[in-house]
Amino acid sequence: DTEVTQTPKHLVMGMTNKKSLKCEQHMGHRAMYWYKQKAKKPPELMFVYSYEKLSINESVPSRFSPECPNSSLLNLHLHALQPEDSALYLCASSPQAIFEGYTFGSGTRLTVV
Amino acid sequence: AQSVAQPEDQVNVAEGNPLTVKCTYSVSGNPYLFWYVQYPNRGLQFLLKYITGDNLVKGSYGFEAEFNKSQTSFHLKKPSALVSDSALYFCAVRGYSTLTFGKGTMLLVSP
Repeated sequence: DTEVTQTPKHLVMGMTNKKSLKCEQHMGHRAMYWYKQKAKKPPELMFVYSYEKLSINESVPSRFSPECPNSSLLNLHLHALQPEDSALYLCASSPQAIFEGYTFGSGTRLTVV
Repeated sequence: AQSVAQPEDQVNVAEGNPLTVKCTYSVSGNPYLFWYVQYPNRGLQFLLKYITGDNLVKGSYGFEAEFNKSQTSFHLKKPSALVSDSALYFCAVRGYSTLTFGKGTMLLVSP
């Protein structure tokens, strides 16, 4: 299995809702990432997990809450989002070696109404 | 700090013609460089990487990239463009914990 699987593919939520994004990989990668991407812009790093521990939080608002239950799963819990949070949310994973690239999922298209 | 720059927002090329998408980098130490492609509403797909060795790196879908240390460049090339190559292309440099992307270059291949 050489894929990163993200669910759901599309999500519409109100500003008072609570929802979660899910990411799964079975490549044995021990680093996992959440990125946010606006249209025609580069992905912006949000969080990095290394060996299931949060290692980087790029000053992301607390309405985004990441969770790494095990080495294969990564969740992003969403609460009280704003319309400007609408974007494509990408999950990625990688081996720890610095010369290895990332494998990206297809993303979740999030719309906040 | 490491960074990459993609000087062109958009590159236009006719089908069958060669294409080049430019990227320059700035790193301290050895550069680990990558190219990714993104089709509309999709994730990023890996094309190729430079770690060490030959300056000409071959990748997926007929793409290749030329690493030039003196010019700190890593340009993406393809000898003959296809309409289906139209997409957003990102150059990236790997650091210890993160992958830093350029702003992206939209490639439009006309029939």
